[in-house]
Amino acid sequence: NAGVTQTPKFQVLKTGQSMTLQCAQDMNHNSMYWYRQDPGMGLRLIYYSASEGTTDKGEVPNGYNVSRLNKREFSLRLESAAPSQTSVYFCASSEKSGSSYNSPLHFGNGTRLTVT
Amino acid sequence: AQSVSQHNHHVILSEAASLELGCNYSYGGTVNLFWYVQYPGQHLQLLLKYFSGDPLVKGIKGFEAEFIKSKFSFNLRKPSVQWSDTAEYFCAVNPAAGANNLFFGTGTRLTVIP
Repeated sequence: NAGVTQTPKFQVLKTGQSMTLQCAQDMNHNSMYWYRQDPGMGLRLIYYSASEGTTDKGEVPNGYNVSRLNKREFSLRLESAAPSQTSVYFCASSEKSGSSYNSPLHFGNGTRLTVT
Repeated sequence: AQSVSQHNHHVILSEAASLELGCNYSYGGTVNLFWYVQYPGQHLQLLLKYFSGDPLVKGIKGFEAEFIKSKFSFNLRKPSVQWSDTAEYFCAVNPAAGANNLFFGTGTRLTVIP
């Protein structure tokens, strides 16, 4: 039972390059999330998908796009990376759809991204 | 701006000492409250949560937290810490007004010295 799997674990990009962060969960969860973690800032929600087929912006969506490919997978795309996007990115999932976080988030191990 | 504040950035304790980590938030109205923990090299996991009812909630590994509505606080406590409690602890708030968002504090790093 792998839980939430993120790839890659590490990535270095040059400014202007694009890349997609992959996330997959094997728990049949309805909701999936992308967070970024920066020093002194805590975790901030980038985008979420409350259920298959829906996506919505979180607190810091600018510069990102997402795709809920199916119930298992939720990818995060940086079209033109900027140094401000240097961060650790976490994918998470939860059992229930919708809001209120009344089921716990299950996190992946994170992707450490550096943009030079 | 509304926020979640964890004023202790790094706490160092000896084993068997008591722990209290502060968490204050500024959202009005109904809130759901959480503490998440990240052990070294591991992913974040839920420690405990409060939705309603008894304001003193118990979580895993002997942790508990008390919701004090008048103080907008949800402090985490443990009577006697162990070396294995060394981790980073995050308070998180889901306000009813922002139902689709979960706001995290900046985290408190706890180091327990054997």
